[in-house]
Amino acid sequence: DAGITQSPRHKVTETGTPVTLRCHQTENHRYMYWYRQDPGHGLRLIHYSYGVKDTDKGEVSDGYSVSRSKTEDFLLTLESATSSQTSVYFCAIRRTGNMNTEAFFGQGTRLTVV
Amino acid sequence: AQTVTQSQPEMSVQEAETVTLSCTYDTSESDYYLFWYKQPPSRQMILVIRQEAYKQQNATENRFSVNFQKAAKSFSLKISDSQLGDAAMYFCAYRQQGAQKLVFGQGTRLTINP
Repeated sequence: DAGITQSPRHKVTETGTPVTLRCHQTENHRYMYWYRQDPGHGLRLIHYSYGVKDTDKGEVSDGYSVSRSKTEDFLLTLESATSSQTSVYFCAIRRTGNMNTEAFFGQGTRLTVV
Repeated sequence: AQTVTQSQPEMSVQEAETVTLSCTYDTSESDYYLFWYKQPPSRQMILVIRQEAYKQQNATENRFSVNFQKAAKSFSLKISDSQLGDAAMYFCAYRQQGAQKLVFGQGTRLTINP
């Protein structure tokens, strides 16, 4: 357990509405990530953060924004949700150090845009 | 760009038997990490095993072991003495040394037959 909590766990929203997903960590890790999981694609990186107010884009960032005002919270916002953003969203953290190179994931959020 | 390919969308094995899941990757880098993640029906992403590219010795974790062939860019996962709890989606993933992004394969769904 890497102390990662995602909220909400499930959400159904209408096309065109804004949606914010929250990732909260309890272990003060520097690196945090948002991935989306879709059938046939595995997981793909949306955005990541390497510190408070330090974020960067991943490979599928269009239509998403992120914010990190505190070390423990990393928010993913869909400004105007579209059906193509129906997916399972995972937050992850990465511990830094010589041996700790893997990512640890939250439980995922299933988002359905209708 | 790096890519990871899992050519077996589905695999099945009898309980107590051995099964091997295939993964190939494409990179021009020499320093990187490879991972196998397990995703059971609970949706949680669980790290199974990790391999550093600079290590020639294949990683093992109890019943899980890998066959890492760097020249062939192959990273297969062997599960010995398969158990019902091993049933899950398995993802192979790659991360370049110094990079943030994990690149995932499409996943292999493993079924264990009692």
